[in-house]
Amino acid sequence: EPEVTQTPSHQVTQMGQEVILRCVPISNHLYFYWYRQILGQKVEFLVSFYNNEISEKSEIFDDQFSVERPDGSNFTLKIRSTKLEDSAMYFCASSGSDDLLFFGSGTQLSVL
Amino acid sequence: RKEVEQDPGPFNVPEGATVAFNCTYSNSASQSFFWYRQDCRKEPKLLMSVYSSGNEDGRFTAQLNRASQYISLLIRDSKLSDSATYLCVVPWPTGANNLFFGTGTRLTVIP
Repeated sequence: EPEVTQTPSHQVTQMGQEVILRCVPISNHLYFYWYRQILGQKVEFLVSFYNNEISEKSEIFDDQFSVERPDGSNFTLKIRSTKLEDSAMYFCASSGSDDLLFFGSGTQLSVL
Repeated sequence: RKEVEQDPGPFNVPEGATVAFNCTYSNSASQSFFWYRQDCRKEPKLLMSVYSSGNEDGRFTAQLNRASQYISLLIRDSKLSDSATYLCVVPWPTGANNLFFGTGTRLTVIP
């Protein structure tokens, strides 16, 4: 069964450092997303991406965040200068034409 | 009013019980709705989608009431493996598949 894969599963970084979270969406999907979940809180939308550009982004997705699809398979989320409050589980998701989102297993980001 | 509201629970039910969760949403223009299941520290997994009045899949039934703007999930004959957090999810009708998640309802099925 096709799945969304994310690497790394865990990332520990120092405050102020840049991190890149990586995702390989399901191969025939066209829409890509990043969500995050702070421990004990709800899943929150960050950004959606289609046709090589951002479709929509939330208030959380400020200038410190960026996304990129550098090749035909990877979809990355970059946080330029991490803050303590960026500590969360980051989920990548993808969908096809049926609008059903499938999530990766997540990257747990810990900012120290 | 929040986009999506759920009773956080927890719901503790014995095996074999029937349990129902409700969810209300604020945007009357929303057309499709989803229930996801999330196990502890895992990713959300799609359980059911609801596009019309309801959907049934085995022991699970989802119903939609557009007039009252609520969605329900009914689980019959609960199994231990049903223990999880159930997330009510509503796409925001902006055409970009921005999903709004409820806070989730925690279910524990007790032997």
